[in-house]
Amino acid sequence: LAKTTQPISMDSYEGQEVNITCSHNNIATNDYITWYQQFPSQGPRFIIQGYKTKVTNEVASLFIPADRKSSTLSLPRVSLSDTAVYYCLVTNRDDKIIFGKGTRLHILP
Amino acid sequence: EAQVTQNPRYLITVTGKKLTVTCSQNMNHEYMSWYRQDPGLGLRQIYYSMNVEVTDKGDVPEGYKVSRKEKRNFPLILESPSPNQTSLYFCASSLDRGANIQYFGAGTRLSVL
Repeated sequence: LAKTTQPISMDSYEGQEVNITCSHNNIATNDYITWYQQFPSQGPRFIIQGYKTKVTNEVASLFIPADRKSSTLSLPRVSLSDTAVYYCLVTNRDDKIIFGKGTRLHILP
Repeated sequence: EAQVTQNPRYLITVTGKKLTVTCSQNMNHEYMSWYRQDPGLGLRQIYYSMNVEVTDKGDVPEGYKVSRKEKRNFPLILESPSPNQTSLYFCASSLDRGANIQYFGAGTRLSVL
């Protein structure tokens, strides 16, 4: 089961691009990388998922290098409402799902 | 609308009084799970279910029971609640265990006095 390591917290300013990097050195061939966002007292919400290279949706982009030992969640032009905890998960069909403590992102005006 | 519904949203109880938190999903998902969230500890899985009548322990199962008699429902049972079970609880469901997206309920904030 791959463990993930991500920064405990980050600060940024409105309008900036924010990149949160997650390390998963022991990622397996059949593992996917998934990011969730959680606001206070709400359940986590899916943001984006990828296997390799780059994935983009209306909310974020996910960059995964060729060795897949890390991934970077990119949030373009953040606003105050992007203040939340962001979780990086590495999962496959057979393993337990482990959330970890996530990265607490604080957006400043 | 696809959703996971938990009830109640808030509950205050006393030590030893049995309680059940219900969870229901309308997406025909096979996989369901319960998490608790405590300050500084992140989300920890309590129990999960791969399908009807199939349940298994997560990382912190002590003091909890679950059942999965129907695909859509996955209640969490605290037979004899204790103050250390005061927490924020989330139910989640997904197509299967692994890489599929998990959908979370709104949460149940439980206080055991």
